Amino acid sequence: DAKTTQPTSMDCAEGRAANLPCNHSTISGNEYVYWYRQIHSQGPQYIIHGLKNNETNEMASLIITEDRKSSTLILPHATLRDTAVYYCIVRIYTNAGKSTFGDGTTLTVKP
Amino acid sequence: DTEVTQTPKHLVMGMTNKKSLKCEQHMGHRAMYWYKQKAKKPPELMFVYSYEKLSINESVPSRFSPECPNSSLLNLHLHALQPEDSALYLCASSQDDATYEQYFGPGTRLTVT
Repeated sequence: DAKTTQPTSMDCAEGRAANLPCNHSTISGNEYVYWYRQIHSQGPQYIIHGLKNNETNEMASLIITEDRKSSTLILPHATLRDTAVYYCIVRIYTNAGKSTFGDGTTLTVKP
Repeated sequence: DTEVTQTPKHLVMGMTNKKSLKCEQHMGHRAMYWYKQKAKKPPELMFVYSYEKLSINESVPSRFSPECPNSSLLNLHLHALQPEDSALYLCASSQDDATYEQYFGPGTRLTVT
């Protein structure tokens, strides 16, 4: 699986959009980009995934660059409850469960 | 029901004890996972079960013994653990082992004394 690089930490004002970047410059054509988050003392929570098209669901939007070497997770209106560690993971769809969580980005939403 | 439950929430055990962690899901998922997470570190995959058969063991020491009695249940049997095994143990499930939308339980906080 391709390695990902994320900033260690970011701050965001409550009510504003939170844009979390992820670099995956060695991604291959059959690897998807997945995002999870982990709120303190809870299990990780799946957010969204995509291959090359932008994706949106009720939680977030995922923007993948045309060359697929980077992506951005967007939380459109961040709340205090969005404070968490956000993990960007790149993975082949049929990789039989194997994948690696990187160190992630700690997002702090401030009032 | 999109919940994965884990019991117990907290466990303290001595190095000579035998204990078990339990995980349950009723989403009809056919893949189940155990992860270990140390403080301020990302989760690390330990085991993957696919259709009740062990498909991945990430070179985990034999003092950790997984078991999948049926498609809804996953156990992790613990014996002769070391203090460095103290961690949060997370269970997850997904529709199958190719699907990476995993649902995680809240974890069991294990302390080995």
